[in-house]
Amino acid sequence: EIVLTQSPGTLSLSPGDRATLSCRASQSVTSNNLAWHQQKPGQAPRLLIYGTSNRATGIPDRFSGSGDGTDFTLTISRLEPEDFAVYYCQQYGSSPMYSFGQGTKLEIK
Amino acid sequence: EVQLVESGGGQVKPGGSLRLSCAVSGFTFSSYSMNWIRQAPGKGLEWVASMSISGSFIYHADSVKGRFTISRDNSKSLLYLQMNSLKAEDTAVYYCGRGRYSGTTSDFWGQGTLVTVSS
Repeated sequence: EIVLTQSPGTLSLSPGDRATLSCRASQSVTSNNLAWHQQKPGQAPRLLIYGTSNRATGIPDRFSGSGDGTDFTLTISRLEPEDFAVYYCQQYGSSPMYSFGQGTKLEIK
Repeated sequence: EVQLVESGGGQVKPGGSLRLSCAVSGFTFSSYSMNWIRQAPGKGLEWVASMSISGSFIYHADSVKGRFTISRDNSKSLLYLQMNSLKAEDTAVYYCGRGRYSGTTSDFWGQGTLVTVSS
């Protein structure tokens, strides 16, 4: 069973900073089918990135994804106030068919 | 505008049953796979079940296999989750999500419906 481990658990940064979030898989992610979702308190998640590096519709270009195999990264180049949220990575294709990381909370320093 | 609206949540005793519904609008339901994902209070996201466009391919997480059943009615643009033999650990907000990019993720989510399993 594939397990996704996100780090850090909490990231404290200021608006304007660069954020780097990590997602490590216990085995290779099938076809690099790795997505990132953002969730704000009391809201449903929102898809940011699919297929490791493709931005979803309407997502600003300050969000970028990269990685290969077992190591993946979400980068937010310059933090806006609305970016402070919880971020989840999610894989598709390995047993279980879908799974999520435990999340990284991005908080204002 | 794409919209997904879950309903059917509520409080139920352990061992009880509930059926969740997800009504969609703003897109052609019969052209997309669909997913159920849940989130226990204060916890992360957990995939529950997925169904292909025609219903030919159905997957359930091990944690719900044999107890929950995903289904869909393409004529009514409705997705369902039949939940039987409910346990306290099934307490969560249940979201439906539209499958996208060859079904590898969900690109739109509903606002969720809360299921509480408690005696």
